[in-house]
Amino acid sequence: EAGVAQSPRYKIIEKRQSVAFWCNPISGHATLYWYQQILGQGPKLLIQFQNNGVVDDSQLPKDRFSAERLKGVDSTLKIQPAKLEDSAVYLCASSFGQTNTEAFFGQGTRLTVV
Amino acid sequence: DAKTTQPTSMDCAEGRAANLPCNHSTISGNEYVYWYRQIHSQGPQYIIHGLKNNETNEMASLIITEDRKSSTLILPHATLRDTAVYYCIVKIKAAGNKLTFGGGTRVLVKP
Repeated sequence: EAGVAQSPRYKIIEKRQSVAFWCNPISGHATLYWYQQILGQGPKLLIQFQNNGVVDDSQLPKDRFSAERLKGVDSTLKIQPAKLEDSAVYLCASSFGQTNTEAFFGQGTRLTVV
Repeated sequence: DAKTTQPTSMDCAEGRAANLPCNHSTISGNEYVYWYRQIHSQGPQYIIHGLKNNETNEMASLIITEDRKSSTLILPHATLRDTAVYYCIVKIKAAGNKLTFGGGTRVLVKP
């Protein structure tokens, strides 16, 4: 079974620029999550989708971050404008349902803001 | 979700059992104990979870104390590929995979 696919793997941008990350979850997984992982810390949930609807975005900095999952499959996470403190790995995860035991994570996109 | 306390790091010898402790003294009756691990440059990977009883799967065993205030993840025969950060997470099952990660334990398996 194919895993969660993310692209790009690496991205370097200057502060105040915009950037977008893409995630393709495992086929049939209705629930999709975006996590932010700052170096040396555990991942932090940014947003959760159930199909194409947002379930929880309480920790998403909405002044600069946005995410969508228009057709309930692929998702994009955007940052505009980026700040230095946004440097992190952005992880996408998916699960079959909201209360499923196991989430499957992608390899992440490492963002460096200079 | 209840907070967890894990050692920052630990070493273990290849081929030996690795015992990873986790304290969760404020765990509620309906909160499960989950373990994930994160190998360098990869996303976290689910290992095992449990409520009260000990659990075992192909990757590891989970031992939960009778009072549920602590647990131990056991990797029965550690290999070099088990070098990773191991996260102990407690949460209600209805919270799904809204996982609250702490700092985890950095495990180094040495030859």
